[in-house]
Amino acid sequence: EVQLLESGGGLVQPGGSLRLSCAASGFTFSSYAMSWVRQAPGEGLEWVAAITDSGGDTYHGDSVKGRFTISRDNSRKTLYLQMSSLRADDTAMYYCAKGNTESRPYYFDFWGQGVLVTVSS
Amino acid sequence: EIVLTQSPGTLSLSAGERASLSCRASQSVSYYLAWYQQKPGQPPRLLIYAASTRATGIPDRFSGGGSGTDFTLTISRLEPEDFAVYYCQHYGSSRAFGQGTKVEIK
Repeated sequence: EVQLLESGGGLVQPGGSLRLSCAASGFTFSSYAMSWVRQAPGEGLEWVAAITDSGGDTYHGDSVKGRFTISRDNSRKTLYLQMSSLRADDTAMYYCAKGNTESRPYYFDFWGQGVLVTVSS
Repeated sequence: EIVLTQSPGTLSLSAGERASLSCRASQSVSYYLAWYQQKPGQPPRLLIYAASTRATGIPDRFSGGGSGTDFTLTISRLEPEDFAVYYCQHYGSSRAFGQGTKVEIK
């Protein structure tokens, strides 16, 4: 059974940093692209960042480019999102999502339960 | 940048009725279109990919259609568990999501 377990969320002050983790199990992690998708309270879904199976290529949405960095450790079966210079509008539930293949184009066939990030003073 | 526009914003229907949800792309996305269902407090769940292929375990009352710029998700007969928010997503050159359609109980 595919499982994605996010951690690392919490309350952080504006301008602060946070690192999210997503521990994967139930599939060959190193064979699939992965992404982070977020959802602000009461709002829709926003793709944040993506990474290919090997980690050789990464992509970031315009709203987080230069502030967030996606990475992965295939030996630990873990996906990361390093977030810095956080702003109030980064407040959201952050979901880890598995791609259906190793690189684009891919849809998200499994999602984690999400981790909440709140940016506030 | 590809923009996906979903309509209507809210659909008020009764159980047993047919639901038709629209997703329109600002430029052609070929068939690289997925649909997700999200219930309160839960992550999204994949329903449809490649515009019309049902994901594993999805009941056949859900069907997708269209190509290019115009797509439809149809729920043939609404079950109580189908009342939720539905999102379309382009997964080709971009990963844009539509803003969602809420299917609520009338």
